[in-house]
Amino acid sequence: AQTVTQSQPEMSVQEAETVTLSCTYDTSESDYYLFWYKQPPSRQMILVIRQEAYKQQNATENRFSVNFQKAAKSFSLKISDSQLGDAAMYFCAYRSAEDNNNDMRFGAGTRLTVKP
Amino acid sequence: ETGVTQTPRHLVMGMTNKKSLKCEQHLGHNAMYWYKQSAKKPLELMFVYNFKEQTENNSVPSRFSPECPNSSHLFLHLHTLQPEDSALYLCASSERQSSYNSPLHFGNGTRLTVT
Repeated sequence: AQTVTQSQPEMSVQEAETVTLSCTYDTSESDYYLFWYKQPPSRQMILVIRQEAYKQQNATENRFSVNFQKAAKSFSLKISDSQLGDAAMYFCAYRSAEDNNNDMRFGAGTRLTVKP
Repeated sequence: ETGVTQTPRHLVMGMTNKKSLKCEQHLGHNAMYWYKQSAKKPLELMFVYNFKEQTENNSVPSRFSPECPNSSHLFLHLHTLQPEDSALYLCASSERQSSYNSPLHFGNGTRLTVT
């Protein structure tokens, strides 16, 4: 089964600075989707960004971008110009595009603190 | 405003109680999910319903009983829980289970404490 690993339980960043959150995954598949979700204190998981494995171009959404390294099975999230509202838990997730059992698999999360 | 609504937001129950968690989605989705979120652990998928049919039960103890009367509503009936069942229970929906590029939309969760 596919596994998702987030090796940084906690990270902190100074307001307006840039931070990168790490995510690696284990799979033998070639077609899949990767996601980053944000969970603020309100507890609702919000989709931040997603990447299709067959696309080489890294996805970007405003201040959020990813560094997708398919060969290395790495999918890091870069947050530029960090804002206080970015403080949250961030979860990396994997979803197969090949398997009928394609339920989303999550990492354990990284807690991001933004310092004013 | 969330398209997935969960009630109650908080729940404290004793081990002999029976309670139910409710989830409702207003997104026109056909798949609904229950996840358990415990501290410092990945989200654990508990149940999946696709077009009102249960398609997955990931070895969840029978003290958790799901119900999906229609594509918009999902319940999790709880009885004879254990303290280790205390966690945040998240409901999610997606267009359909097989849409691998369709993200999950989550509710705010129910924080359950079993005493």
